[in-house]
Amino acid sequence: DTAVSQTPKYLVTQMGNDKSIKCEQNLGHDTMYWYKQDSKKFLKIMFSYNNKELIINETVPNRFSPKSPDKAHLNLHINSLELGDSAVYFCASSPTGVYNEQFFGPGTRLTVL
Amino acid sequence: AQKVTQAQTEISVVEKEDVTLDCVYETRDTTYYLFWYKQPPSGELVFLIRRNSFDEQNEISGRYSWNFQKSTSSFNFTITASQVVDSAVYFCALSTGGYNKLIFGAGTRLAVHP
Repeated sequence: DTAVSQTPKYLVTQMGNDKSIKCEQNLGHDTMYWYKQDSKKFLKIMFSYNNKELIINETVPNRFSPKSPDKAHLNLHINSLELGDSAVYFCASSPTGVYNEQFFGPGTRLTVL
Repeated sequence: AQKVTQAQTEISVVEKEDVTLDCVYETRDTTYYLFWYKQPPSGELVFLIRRNSFDEQNEISGRYSWNFQKSTSSFNFTITASQVVDSAVYFCALSTGGYNKLIFGAGTRLAVHP
């Protein structure tokens, strides 16, 4: 009965490759997010979608492209991976509306060699 | 600009000690929410508490308590009688509305030793 799930949990790849991380939530929430946690544990929002519409797009390289096929899914595609993309990526979801608690997935640890 | 500062990078205590994790925030908005999340060694992020800017009442939940003071822009978190299972990184976060963007502090790593 996982609320927010991500696949894969670990991803090891070479520089220059393209990879995707998938996220699904079964909480019935309308809003989903991607956060990046760097090696120093610093967490920063990347994107947010509400009902499949992009509503937050922080200063993220164009190589990162989120896609929301429906409101229960938010995928993250990364082109031309770089060493600096190595991080843990967290997906989260919340009900629509401001100030709501966000439920986080288990994270995907991406390592770029 | 919105900002959250957790000045304590790491704290080490012995089991059963009380420990307070500090959180100072900056915002010009009058309406905002503050959050605490726990990240245990297993890596997931666990929601602990949400508090709105109009409610300065302290909150207690078991061994956890939170002290919100608007006058000092602080939202501190105290663990009473700490246990080894409390060992984790704790994040304070701020949401000032808009699209519910969470702005996180850098986190405080708490190590509780037996």
